[in-house]
Amino acid sequence: QVQLVESGGGVVQPGGSLRLSCAASGFTFRSYGFHWVRQAPGKGLEWVAFIQSDGSNKYYADSVKGRFTISRDNSKNTLYLQMNSLRAEDTAVYYCAKNGVPAAGTYYMDVWGKGTTVTVSS
Amino acid sequence: DIVMTQSPDSLAVSLGERATINCKSSQSVLYSSNSKNYLAWYQQKPGQPPKLLIYWASTRESGVPDRFSGSGSGTDFTLTISSLQAEDVAVYYCQQYYSTVTFGQGTKLEIK
Repeated sequence: QVQLVESGGGVVQPGGSLRLSCAASGFTFRSYGFHWVRQAPGKGLEWVAFIQSDGSNKYYADSVKGRFTISRDNSKNTLYLQMNSLRAEDTAVYYCAKNGVPAAGTYYMDVWGKGTTVTVSS
Repeated sequence: DIVMTQSPDSLAVSLGERATINCKSSQSVLYSSNSKNYLAWYQQKPGQPPKLLIYWASTRESGVPDRFSGSGSGTDFTLTISSLQAEDVAVYYCQQYYSTVTFGQGTKLEIK
């Protein structure tokens, strides 16, 4: 079945780095763009980043631009989020989500993973 | 950036009654070339990821009960639950995908 499974979360000190992964199965990974969306404790959803199906276009929220890098390996059906210079305000559950349309650009998100928790604390 | 504003922030409705959630965008999300509104609605229950309910402002996702409907165009949109069921208790989010992505702040729906 169609599935996204995130991993790589954990506790990290301010200024540290972490790399999240999202393993996809059950569909043609290379045909779709993907998003990372986060949710701070008790807060709403915040879009973080998007990568196009072939990796040629990437977009970031202003809050993470210059610190986070989204990437993908279509040979491994895996999405990544490299997070550097982490701050306390980056503490959140991070979800990967699949674009609902196999076309260029950002769209609605029809499949979500269960999320991985990142805690930035000293 | 397009700002999405939902109203109300929270809502209590009796079982079987209608629930209405509004979403307003700071600029139009209607793409003139294809006449589509780039607006989606999600439901999130505690401890779960969001679930897609509606896309293109009014297209129901497969498997979503027909008591859920979306309407509106341009900058003003509405999610309606025609007859509230206990399992509909959740937080609901609108999302625009006209220009990258932004979400509304969420509306918490409870039983009265």
